[in-house]
Amino acid sequence: DIQMTQSPASQSASLGESVTITCLASQTIGTWLAWYQQKPGKSPQLLIFAATTLADGVPSRFSGSGSGTKFSFKISSLQAEDFVSYYCQQLYSTPWTFGGGTKLEIK
Amino acid sequence: EVKLVESGGGLVQPGGSLRLSCATSGFTFTDYYMSWVRQPPGKALEWLGFIRNKANGYTTEYSASVKGRFTISRDNSQSILYLQMNTLRAEDSATYYCARDIYGTWFAYWGQGTLVTVSA
Repeated sequence: DIQMTQSPASQSASLGESVTITCLASQTIGTWLAWYQQKPGKSPQLLIFAATTLADGVPSRFSGSGSGTKFSFKISSLQAEDFVSYYCQQLYSTPWTFGGGTKLEIK
Repeated sequence: EVKLVESGGGLVQPGGSLRLSCATSGFTFTDYYMSWVRQPPGKALEWLGFIRNKANGYTTEYSASVKGRFTISRDNSQSILYLQMNTLRAEDSATYYCARDIYGTWFAYWGQGTLVTVSA
């Protein structure tokens, strides 16, 4: 199975700042990577797929980069509604594994 | 509008069984892979498995953690996805989500989830 190591597990930041979350795959996955946002008590929402492509309706302050084994997810100019949890997921091969998640907190 | 609505969760004793349903609408059900994902309280998401679409013969794949205990099936006449869960354990306690892909892969649509609690 492909392991997805996501870091950090939690991060504090201020409104307007930028943050970057990283996912490392245990083997190469090309660009078969997605990023999801999950608000408390809600189901996940797809933000980015194919490592860099923004899903429909997702604000441009969200971006993704990377290929192979190292991937990054960036939020520029944090808004209040961005302080929730984020997950990466590889869909290169089954089982389609998720990272451990990152919880953003307001500093 | 694509809609996914899970049901069937609840309290079940260890060793028991439960069948979850995911009622869908707003799209041609047979065209899509359908997946189940779970999330224990306060923990990360875990993909459980999927059932392929008509073009791929409705075959299934599972994660190792549930293979042999859980079965994914679909009623294509009613556009409903199922998850039959047997021999349930405390560690199966979680919110269970069904999900549909876009472009054959990415989970663009999710249900609201249904909570399963396995406890004596």
